[in-house]
Amino acid sequence: DTGVSQNPRHKITKRGQNVTFRCDPISEHNRLYWYRQTLGQGPEFLTYFQNEAQLEKSRLLSDRFSAERPKGSFSTLEIQRTEQGDSAMYLCASSSTGTERDEQFFGPGTRLTVL
Amino acid sequence: AQKITQTQPGMFVQEKEAVTLDCTYDTSDPSYGLFWYKQPSSGEMIFLIYQGSYDQQNATEGRYSLNFQKARKSANLVISASQLGDSAMYFCAMASGQNFVFGPGTRLSVLP
Repeated sequence: DTGVSQNPRHKITKRGQNVTFRCDPISEHNRLYWYRQTLGQGPEFLTYFQNEAQLEKSRLLSDRFSAERPKGSFSTLEIQRTEQGDSAMYLCASSSTGTERDEQFFGPGTRLTVL
Repeated sequence: AQKITQTQPGMFVQEKEAVTLDCTYDTSDPSYGLFWYKQPSSGEMIFLIYQGSYDQQNATEGRYSLNFQKARKSANLVISASQLGDSAMYFCAMASGQNFVFGPGTRLSVLP
């Protein structure tokens, strides 16, 4: 296990379609985060899991977005009825509560384009 | 609310010179962590350095050091002996309670 992986790397979809992204964290990490990043901006926090529990969800996250981490390992992020404004890079990161600094390791991201 | 401010949208530095990237933060939590990440054009986010709010000494990691001034709520990144490969976006970030916030970033360009 060399790092956080995300699939797919790129996704093009038509407005109104549903999309699902997957994130596989570093195996010993119990925390998992989802971020959204638009061009020229910093990552924007979406949600956060510790093991299988979703502990925090951004108020900016609409009801069309849902995330799961059913067994405390991989996570999925689903966007329903996509809109053009959802076009962005979706980043996943993981960390371990066993470290003092809770450093987050990021995956390569999934770039979503909504036509 | 937690907030990170990076007032320098872009910076230029000559190769082998040192450069300071500014970061100020706002939080009411007494315990927090401050991070700097590098994002090259390839897109991956690379962790550089961490400073805990209770750390007495400024953090250092190789050519990176963090100038932490708690009373001023600033956490500036200093890169010594800049290299061409340092050209990238640099993000300051804060973990405070259950909140994680990134700044807007500074684009650093290292000139040969």
